[in-house]
Amino acid sequence: QVQLQESGPGLVKPSQTLSLTCTVSGGSISSDTSFWTWIRQPAGKGLEWIGRMSASGSTNYNPSLKSRVTMSVDTSKNQVFLRLNSVTAADTAVYYCARILFEKSGSGSFKNYYFDYWGQGILVTVSS
Amino acid sequence: DIQMTQSPSSLSVSVGDRVTITCRASQSIRNYLNWYQQKPGKAPNLLIYSASGLQSGVPSRFSGSGSGTDFTLTINSLQPEDFATYYCQQFHSSPLTFGPGTKVDIK
Repeated sequence: QVQLQESGPGLVKPSQTLSLTCTVSGGSISSDTSFWTWIRQPAGKGLEWIGRMSASGSTNYNPSLKSRVTMSVDTSKNQVFLRLNSVTAADTAVYYCARILFEKSGSGSFKNYYFDYWGQGILVTVSS
Repeated sequence: DIQMTQSPSSLSVSVGDRVTITCRASQSIRNYLNWYQQKPGKAPNLLIYSASGLQSGVPSRFSGSGSGTDFTLTINSLQPEDFATYYCQQFHSSPLTFGPGTKVDIK
């Protein structure tokens, strides 16, 4: 059973950098059929996809956050990292890490692509 | 970006009712659509993948259908544990986007 656990500061000052760690257990992050992703949810609101990365280091970020986001991995520790710089109050949210499980068709396009395991989430508040 | 809409935004139902939630994409996404259930204070949980695939462990009263731009999540005989918010999510194009959610609560 794959488990994900987010960790990091719960309070970040405006203009500083939000840094979170997602520790994966029960499976390797180096699978050929999975990516690792971050999603956030402001209180009482919907879900926003931040970006995803593979264990090999390839990334794909949401353009709305791309200029401020960096994701990385440490395969030796089975950890995925999120850094979001120049934060404002609008970045206050519960941040989730999740696994993307995917399957490609014969043509190379994605046939299945979904978030199948999620962490419990971590509330990050941006405030002075 | 592909915009996802859901209707209704909320509905009040009784245990045993049949519930239908609609999700619409701003352009064709083929069947590249997933459904999640989220309970208060918890992470979302995958119910349906690729429009109609039932995720392992999810009760068979949940079903999904649709392709192109219009999709439906159906819950047959709603159970007490099904009161939650439901989100659709497209994976046709980056950025991945979610619908705004449909809250199902007790009548």
